[in-house]
Amino acid sequence: SAVISQKPSRDICQRGTSLTIQCQVDSQVTMMFWYRQQPGQSLTLIATANQGSEATYESGFVIDKFPISRPNLTFSTLTVSNMSPEDSSIYLCSVEGARLDGYTFGSGTRLTVV
Amino acid sequence: AQSVTQLGSHVSVSEGALVLLRCNYSSSVPPYLFWYVQYPNQGLQLLLKYTSAATLVKGINGFEAEFKKSETSFHLTKPSAHMSDAAEYFCAVSQNTGFQKLVFGTGTRLLVSP
Repeated sequence: SAVISQKPSRDICQRGTSLTIQCQVDSQVTMMFWYRQQPGQSLTLIATANQGSEATYESGFVIDKFPISRPNLTFSTLTVSNMSPEDSSIYLCSVEGARLDGYTFGSGTRLTVV
Repeated sequence: AQSVTQLGSHVSVSEGALVLLRCNYSSSVPPYLFWYVQYPNQGLQLLLKYTSAATLVKGINGFEAEFKKSETSFHLTKPSAHMSDAAEYFCAVSQNTGFQKLVFGTGTRLLVSP
């Protein structure tokens, strides 16, 4: 299965600033997924990123707040913009494995906004 | 639309006891089903997956799950709990055709006492 390198692993940020999270995969993948896990809660899909096209956002998430880049088949970034304490969460990227392989997740970025 | 329900936000067992974590799904198309484990301050690790082959699926660390279509269930079991099994467990569903977005349950925290 794919190996995902996600960074930073954690950060503490001031409200009103932005943080860009990077996700590097060791193989080419068609789709990359970005999830948010709020404290004590499950994972919620933010958006799906295909190379060469605009990301597709889930209900409740907008591009202005969570811009995503997907410049090639092994890399993607998620930016959390104009942060507030409510954005404090773990953000995870994920890729779909080969057929029937399931999904692989990065180790996550633990974001705290103060 | 697909959804997953995990009964019990917390399950407590003694070391050596049977582990049973419940998951029921709703899907209008044949589903793929997954169990993931999340250890403290870590990302998600795939335990096992059902992809329409054998209904009894064996995973890592001695876990297994049985797909029961008549009950729309995919409960996770382990005959004998270890202290190291203490973690958060997530059940997830995706459709097996087309765009395979993962939908997660709310998670069950497994507590193992000596």
